[in-house]
Amino acid sequence: QQQVKQSPQSLIVQKGGISIINCAYENTAFDYFPWYQQFPGKGPALLIAIRPDVSEKKEGRFTISFNKSAKQFSLHIMDSQPGDSATYFCAASGSSGSARQLTFGSGTQLTVLP
Amino acid sequence: KAGVTQTPRYLIKTRGQQVTLSCSPISGHRSVSWYQQTPGQGLQFLFEYFSETQRNKGNFPGRFSGRQFSNSRSEMNVSTLELGDSALYLCASSLGGSRLETQYFGPGTRLLVL
Repeated sequence: QQQVKQSPQSLIVQKGGISIINCAYENTAFDYFPWYQQFPGKGPALLIAIRPDVSEKKEGRFTISFNKSAKQFSLHIMDSQPGDSATYFCAASGSSGSARQLTFGSGTQLTVLP
Repeated sequence: KAGVTQTPRYLIKTRGQQVTLSCSPISGHRSVSWYQQTPGQGLQFLFEYFSETQRNKGNFPGRFSGRQFSNSRSEMNVSTLELGDSALYLCASSLGGSRLETQYFGPGTRLLVL
């Protein structure tokens, strides 16, 4: 019930291409969906986040698409650059008062070829 | 502003020992969460502290414990270490006022249990 399923596990894209990472969840109580980017030796850093009252959110080259009925959301990276090569995690948290508990997907290792 | 700092960055212990990890949140942040990251299980929530009180706890055995001090710094303790406790332990801080706030992660402490 708490799981967030993420795919693909790894992704190789040419520079300038579009990277797409998908996530699905089961818990309908989830109402906050952030994406994190993690470089080797670093902690995850928030990239972009969305709430289910909107279907899309765009920040620069990064876009989250959200499908509430399908309980799926995805990250699109436009004009992918070698510097985008990192591991990406989707996450979700639900309404449980003020407590914070992120449930993470398994991660996608993105490699952008020059 | 300085980011989240974690000490030590690397640690080697043997089975049966105990370990204490430290996390200093961003100045002004009152919420500290801990996560365990392993290749097999991914990122898993351990617990969250706010104003020296544990506000939320993940599904980990009682060997994992934590505390938070009045200056918001937090420590995590693992007793009777097992080989499977080898992981990257991440702490994240946020202001603590809203569940939807960004969590800022530290670089982690890499623990190796031999």
